[in-house]
Amino acid sequence: EPEVTQTPSHQVTQMGQEVILRCVPISNHLYFYWYRQILGQKVEFLVSFYNNEISEKSEIFDDQFSVERPDGSNFTLKIRSTKLEDSAMYFCASSWGLGRGEQFFGPGTRLTVL
Amino acid sequence: GQNIDQPTEMTATEGAIVQINCTYQTSGFNGLFWYQQHAGEAPTFLSYNVLDGLEEKGRFSSFLSRSKGYSYLLLKELQMKDSASYLCAVSAGTASKLTFGTGTRLQVTL
Repeated sequence: EPEVTQTPSHQVTQMGQEVILRCVPISNHLYFYWYRQILGQKVEFLVSFYNNEISEKSEIFDDQFSVERPDGSNFTLKIRSTKLEDSAMYFCASSWGLGRGEQFFGPGTRLTVL
Repeated sequence: GQNIDQPTEMTATEGAIVQINCTYQTSGFNGLFWYQQHAGEAPTFLSYNVLDGLEEKGRFSSFLSRSKGYSYLLLKELQMKDSASYLCAVSAGTASKLTFGTGTRLQVTL
């Protein structure tokens, strides 16, 4: 069964450093999402991406964040200058369509900022 | 904005039936999803409702009333492996982003 994959599974970085989180969505899916979950808290929407552009972003997704689909298979989330409060589990999700399109989640990348 | 409420914790006995409620307020409603999340893992899809009524899928059923902003997830014949968090999520807007509730942590006991 096709699945969303994410690398790395764990990332430890120093405050102020740049990190890139990578995702490979399911191959025939068209809509891509990033969510994050701070330990013990709810899953929060960050950004959605369709047709090579951002379709919606949350208040969390400020200028420190960017997304890219560089090669037609990977979908990346970059945090330019990490802060302590960026420590969280980051989930990538993809779906084939809107509305009824179920979003399939990747296993997540646990980001720890020291 | 969107507001989603569900109980924080529930406990039930193996073999029993449990109902997890979710109320929501939203605009641009596209549908309501239930996800299961084990500790340290990703959410996995359980069910989807866009029209009023009951959707049944094996041991899991989900109900939606759009006029009341209310849904529930029904789990039958509970098993120990059903111990997990159950996340109610509303899909809304042109990009169908999911807004999640805080999740209901279900503990299944012997």
